[in-house]
Amino acid sequence: DAKTTQPNSMESNEEEPVHLPCNHSTISGTDYIHWYRQLPSQGPEYVIHGLTSNVNNRMASLAIAEDRKSSTLILHRATLRDAAVYYCILRTGANSKLTFGKGITLSVRP
Amino acid sequence: NAGVTQTPKFQVLKTGQSMTLQCAQDMNHEYMSWYRQDPGMGLRLIHYSVGAGITDQGEVPNGYNVSRSTTEDFPLRLLSAAPSQTSVYFCASSSGLAGGPNTQYFGPGTRLTVL
Repeated sequence: DAKTTQPNSMESNEEEPVHLPCNHSTISGTDYIHWYRQLPSQGPEYVIHGLTSNVNNRMASLAIAEDRKSSTLILHRATLRDAAVYYCILRTGANSKLTFGKGITLSVRP
Repeated sequence: NAGVTQTPKFQVLKTGQSMTLQCAQDMNHEYMSWYRQDPGMGLRLIHYSVGAGITDQGEVPNGYNVSRSTTEDFPLRLLSAAPSQTSVYFCASSSGLAGGPNTQYFGPGTRLTVL
């Protein structure tokens, strides 16, 4: 499975935008980029996913580099509830498994 | 929809005891899986199933058994609990068999302590 690399942690101020980076230099053409997050003491929850084009949903935006070797999860206005571990994961069409790394821990300051 | 449910929420076992962690989903998903999460770590796949009657091993299957007799249920059995199995266990389900765009829905977790 192709690997992803994320910083260990990031801090943000409440109501400011947050950009969470992810590197995936060995991504293949069929790999989808998924983001999940895990709030304290809860199970992971889906945030967003994309293949080649930028994606928006009610939770976040996903910006994918033109060469697809990196992507950025964008939270437009961070809230205290967005403090969580965010996982960037590659998922292929032929493999049903999700491989979680350590993720990036986002802290949000009031 | 209740989504993915897990029971119990908490469990304490003694070394050598056996038990079954229950997982159920009401979304008619074919794909179900079990993960464990140790402190400060990401999730590791234990076993998964692509449909009733079909299961396969994940990354860390030793000490665990699974079966899938119905689409809705996917229990995880600890045969002889060991302290190394102290962890938080998450069950997840997903529509479709392939990966790609399909998203996974996770349960709230079972916190297991083995003394």
